[in-house]
Amino acid sequence: AQSVTQLGSHVSVSEGALVLLRCNYSSSVPPYLFWYVQYPNQGLQLLLKYTTGATLVKGINGFEAEFKKSETSFHLTKPSAHMSDAAEYFCAVSVGGSYIPTFGRGTSLIVHP
Amino acid sequence: NAGVTQTPKFQVLKTGQSMTLQCAQDMNHNSMYWYRQDPGMGLRLIYYSASEGTTDKGEVPNGYNVSRLNKREFSLRLESAAPSQTSVYFCASSLISTGPNQPQHFGDGTRLSIL
Repeated sequence: AQSVTQLGSHVSVSEGALVLLRCNYSSSVPPYLFWYVQYPNQGLQLLLKYTTGATLVKGINGFEAEFKKSETSFHLTKPSAHMSDAAEYFCAVSVGGSYIPTFGRGTSLIVHP
Repeated sequence: NAGVTQTPKFQVLKTGQSMTLQCAQDMNHNSMYWYRQDPGMGLRLIYYSASEGTTDKGEVPNGYNVSRLNKREFSLRLESAAPSQTSVYFCASSLISTGPNQPQHFGDGTRLSIL
């Protein structure tokens, strides 16, 4: 069985500061990992995904995530936060043989001016 | 290219009423899903349809039924609405025929309140 834990239901940063959203997964087989973003009153949109190969994955809007197998982590980062980054972020994991992804509970990113 | 379209966007029901939430995708995806989103709970899978003609229960199926009408459409029905079903409902689709590494595409949700 797979599971995802997002540490921190809310993360608050100042505009221009580093964004770090944490995601740890549990899987007995190699995982496929995703980050989604949800803006107010909208559905989820894919930010980036890790399948195989390069462990540092670049996504849209300047975000990137690094797959660390030894730490079972897939943390999302952005060097400099922008006000428009304020949203809910979801980490998800999917594994071979199960086509149903498991989502974390989400982290709300708050950006202060 | 509209992606995933959900109707209606908002709905208020009285306890005991029934209604059907509609979802259609135009991306030729084979798999479709219904989730509910509640504060602090993330996304919980209600039902899914891996391919046309099949449906399966997810994590929270009680009180719901689904119909995969064709490859494009996947509806969710509340037969007798209860206040506990007040939530935001999301439909999603994906192309899993190429493997589980395919992301899901989401609609903008239906905000349902049951009084």
